[in-house]
Amino acid sequence: DTEVTQTPKHLVMGMTNKKSLKCEQHMGHRAMYWYKQKAKKPPELMFVYSYEKLSINESVPSRFSPECPNSSLLNLHLHALQPEDSALYLCASSQDPSTSGYVETQYFGPGTRLLVL
Amino acid sequence: TQLLEQSPQFLSIQEGENLTVYCNSSSVFSSLQWYRQEPGEGPVLLVTVVTGGEVKKLKRLTFQFGDARKDSSLHITAAQPGDTGLYLCAVIYGNKLVFGAGTILRVKS
Repeated sequence: DTEVTQTPKHLVMGMTNKKSLKCEQHMGHRAMYWYKQKAKKPPELMFVYSYEKLSINESVPSRFSPECPNSSLLNLHLHALQPEDSALYLCASSQDPSTSGYVETQYFGPGTRLLVL
Repeated sequence: TQLLEQSPQFLSIQEGENLTVYCNSSSVFSSLQWYRQEPGEGPVLLVTVVTGGEVKKLKRLTFQFGDARKDSSLHITAAQPGDTGLYLCAVIYGNKLVFGAGTILRVKS
């Protein structure tokens, strides 16, 4: 099973709402990632969890709060978002964190399409 | 400047035509990947190339890693509508997967 699942598939929220995006993998991967992707642009890294600990935060605003409850789950908590935060949010996982310049295969979920009104 | 320069940005072709997408950099990489992303889906890995000069084939897709490991190309023979999507090259840089800007390919039937 090489599947990464994400819920919900679509989300519409107001700027005062609090919502959460969920990601799950059962491949035994120890690295999990959140990416943000605008239309017709490449994914941009937001956060990396390595062995359930936050290892990279790409200077993401605090209105995005990641959480890794266990090795299979990754959440992204959203609060007081802005309309410019509307995007496709992708979760990915890999066997190990990428090191030594070798590209670990990352498996991506289908994403959550977020619209902030 | 972008770490990875992809060209062309957009490509619209007829079914049956051939095409090549390029991914260039001034940096040397130990490996490089190509992904395809279809509308409404996440990127899916197509190939990883690791050796300078390496050529890999995946059905009608041919991938080449430059001799100096600074660039790569993706050639599609006899394109089909199912090849439509966003093609992304990617490398590890600073322990992060960094993508090129992507090539949007549309194959018309």
